[in-house]
Amino acid sequence: AQKVTQAQTEISVVEKEDVTLDCVYETRDTTYYLFWYKQPPSGELVFLIRRNSFDEQNEISGRYSWNFQKSTSSFNFTITASQVVDSAVYFCALRETDSWGKLQFGAGTQVVVTP
Amino acid sequence: GAGVSQTPSNKVTEKGKYVELRCDPISGHTALYWYRQSLGQGPEFLIYFQGTGAADDSGLPNDRFFAVRPEGSVSTLKIQRTERGDSAVYLCASSQPNTGELFFGEGSRLTVL
Repeated sequence: AQKVTQAQTEISVVEKEDVTLDCVYETRDTTYYLFWYKQPPSGELVFLIRRNSFDEQNEISGRYSWNFQKSTSSFNFTITASQVVDSAVYFCALRETDSWGKLQFGAGTQVVVTP
Repeated sequence: GAGVSQTPSNKVTEKGKYVELRCDPISGHTALYWYRQSLGQGPEFLIYFQGTGAADDSGLPNDRFFAVRPEGSVSTLKIQRTERGDSAVYLCASSQPNTGELFFGEGSRLTVL
């Protein structure tokens, strides 16, 4: 069963628009970690954030912000005032306690930012 | 360089051949991971090493796939009797143990004709 669902396959925005990427996860663990990674056209996955299941505070880092809601099993990611350099595929991932070395990735959301 | 290094970057082979893909992790990282990414999909876990031993190999699809890390640093992913369905980008990552921040290489693109 898919543990991480990213329902949006592709989102296209014009520069300076905000874009929100949805991530819904499924786990029975009470302790788990959620991640976001960026994969630009070069192909190398770049770590953006890690959040543990006990910390539901929203986080902001520059133009990036994350909204973690355990009640809806969601960990959404917003890019504010998007730029062309934000064009990439973004992956949400889950790490559970019984498979500590394994990240389970969603299928990814392609973000296309046009000038 | 300071990042995860993977070789070759591209490998084209014929069905039935044997292939080796190499990963050189970031110095000092004790954890090493192999993932496989097919076109339009997220990375799929294959195997995780902690030091020299495979701590979790539950993602290896079948016994044609094998990985080693004999000295706890460089790792080699070995694929026997390759099939067309093995075509994908094979990603390697490393991390400090239990940090969760995986540093990925650029991948080895394998094409089986």
